[in-house]
Amino acid sequence: DGGITQSPKYLFRKEGQNVTLSCEQNLNHDAMYWYRQDPGQGLRLIYYSQIVNDFQKGDIAEGYSVSREKKESFPLTVTSAQKNPTAFYLCASSTSTGGGYGYTFGSGTRLTVV
Amino acid sequence: GQNIDQPTEMTATEGAIVQINCTYQTSGFNGLFWYQQHAGEAPTFLSYNVLDGLEEKGRFSSFLSRSKGYSYLLLKELQMKDSASYLCAVESGSARQLTFGSGTQLTVLP
Repeated sequence: DGGITQSPKYLFRKEGQNVTLSCEQNLNHDAMYWYRQDPGQGLRLIYYSQIVNDFQKGDIAEGYSVSREKKESFPLTVTSAQKNPTAFYLCASSTSTGGGYGYTFGSGTRLTVV
Repeated sequence: GQNIDQPTEMTATEGAIVQINCTYQTSGFNGLFWYQQHAGEAPTFLSYNVLDGLEEKGRFSSFLSRSKGYSYLLLKELQMKDSASYLCAVESGSARQLTFGSGTQLTVLP
């Protein structure tokens, strides 16, 4: 079955360390997105990519980096420059024409800084 | 920029009807979505409005007025399992990404 996989489900990081969150999809979707969610809040867009080897900053890109070397993969690196990284991270993908109507979400990664 | 407002919390009784409102200000509006999200899980799609009017889907209905920048989600015959956060999201721009509101936490009481 097609879908979008995020790993790991839970991640712990020491302060000052970089950490990479994985997002893989086998839906043949062109567009991929990373969102951050804090407790009691909605989702905020970190980065998005509409095509391989291209990506755009979202509303809260500072302290994060991404790559899109393959269509199926859109890893997110949380760098030490991100001062408050503890949050729930959601990856999503959609067709190039589907927009929000074609969104598929991963199950999320909960990152905790210890 | 985008601005999406919805109430933070609502409480209703099992079997009742509840209406969750959402107001938005945006440029390049493409459509409005409602998602349901249980704690620690990914959002799940409920409804999509692109034209003015009411869209009905079983116990859930969603209304849109583009001229007023207003939408609501109507939940009928509430069940305990409907306790969740309900997210209003606006799709905009050529990249068609979604901008989410902060969510409305609905608690259904017996």
